Parts: sequence; C-alpha cells; structure tokens
Amino acid sequence: AQSVTQPDIHITVSEGASLELRCNYSYGATPYLFWYVQSPGQGLQLLLKYFSGDTLVQGIKGFEAEFKRSQSSFNLRKPSVHWSDAAEYFCAVGAAGGYNKLIFGAGTRLAVHP
Amino acid sequence: GAVVSQHPSRVICKSGTSVKIECRSLDFQATTMFWYRQFPKQSLMLMATSNEGSKATYEQGVEKDKFLINHASLTLSTLTVTSAHPEDSSFYICSAPGGLAGLGDTQYFGPGTRLTVL
Repeated sequence: AQSVTQPDIHITVSEGASLELRCNYSYGATPYLFWYVQSPGQGLQLLLKYFSGDTLVQGIKGFEAEFKRSQSSFNLRKPSVHWSDAAEYFCAVGAAGGYNKLIFGAGTRLAVHP
Repeated sequence: GAVVSQHPSRVICKSGTSVKIECRSLDFQATTMFWYRQFPKQSLMLMATSNEGSKATYEQGVEKDKFLINHASLTLSTLTVTSAHPEDSSFYICSAPGGLAGLGDTQYFGPGTRLTVL
C-alpha cells in the first residue's frame, strides 16, 4: 500500500537559514509526488510536484525538491527561509498513480525564529 | 488561477443534527471532487470521491450513511454529516482536480470547514 512518511513533526529554523524537510514514500511504480503548504485559515497551496523527467524540481516561493528513487525520498529545500514560510508542510503521493487521490504524510510544522 | 471555495468556514451544531458543507469550484468545472478530513495536528485523510452524476466512492472505514455526498453539478459537491456527534468534530477539506479544465495535473483545495459538534 502507498504511504508517505514525514519524519519531522516540528522544525525550527532561524530566518535566513537553509531548510530541508524530509519525505519518504512507499509506492510500487513511479510516483506522482507533491509538496503542499497549509497556512492558518487558508487552503492547501501546491508548492511543487514531480511526475517524471528532471529529478530536481523548482516550485513557488523559492522552494525546490529532489526526487531520489534509490532512497524513495522527495525532500523539500529552501536556501534561505523567510518568516512568512512558517506553516505546515505536507508531502503527498498520488494514490492511483496520478494526481487525483492523494495520500498525505503527517505534516511538518515549520517555525521561523527572527 | 483555479479557486475552490467552501461554505461555511465554521459551523457549530448540537449532537444529533445534520450539517451540510458545500464545495464549489469557482472558475472551472470538475466532474470529480474529493473530500478529506483533518484531525487537529494531523494529516489529511481521504474520505470519499465525489462523482458528478453518479454515486460517491467511499474509502474503507468511512460510513457512507453518515457522510452523504452529492455532486449536484459540475461546480458543486456537498457533504452532509448526518446525526452528527462530538466525534465527528473535525476540519473537512474538499479538493478538485484541474486537469479537465486545462489547469494542469494539480488538485486545488478549498480553505476547509471547521465542524464542532456539541
């Protein structure tokens, strides 16, 4: 069965520091992978997605993620965090091999210190 | 961009009553929509797939008689929590895929509805 693991429940970084949020997935074939961000009072916003091709994908707000098949990972990175990046981040895999039914990880809550 | 709205954003009801939550795709049509449930500080769990013109498909463990889904049009899906009880209190989120509308292989999410059952 497909699953997504986000090992870090909470992460705190200083503003301007680099960030890496970890995501591991379990899926038999080439997965459709997503990172979403959830801010209070707002709907989930897509940061980036990977379906195929270049394993390093660029997203919005300066985020990027790298798909590593050998490690079953899709970690999210940002070189310099801004205070406005504080939010909940979810990694997800398309359950049916597409982008429809999504299976989400537990989420990582990011706090940013000034 | 694609926008999905939900109404109401918050609802408080008494135990035993039914509550209807609406999910609308504002600027695109969606033959399929999805309903998720999110418990505090937890992830989103897919509840069901709402299909326009046909019955919804429920995930294992989700009571279809408790959570009634109606996809009345290409822009509206409703979730009715029947005979609500305190354990149904949760954050309900809907999503709609943008593919058929030419918006890419992406799910667009509503802002969610906070249900509190007293």
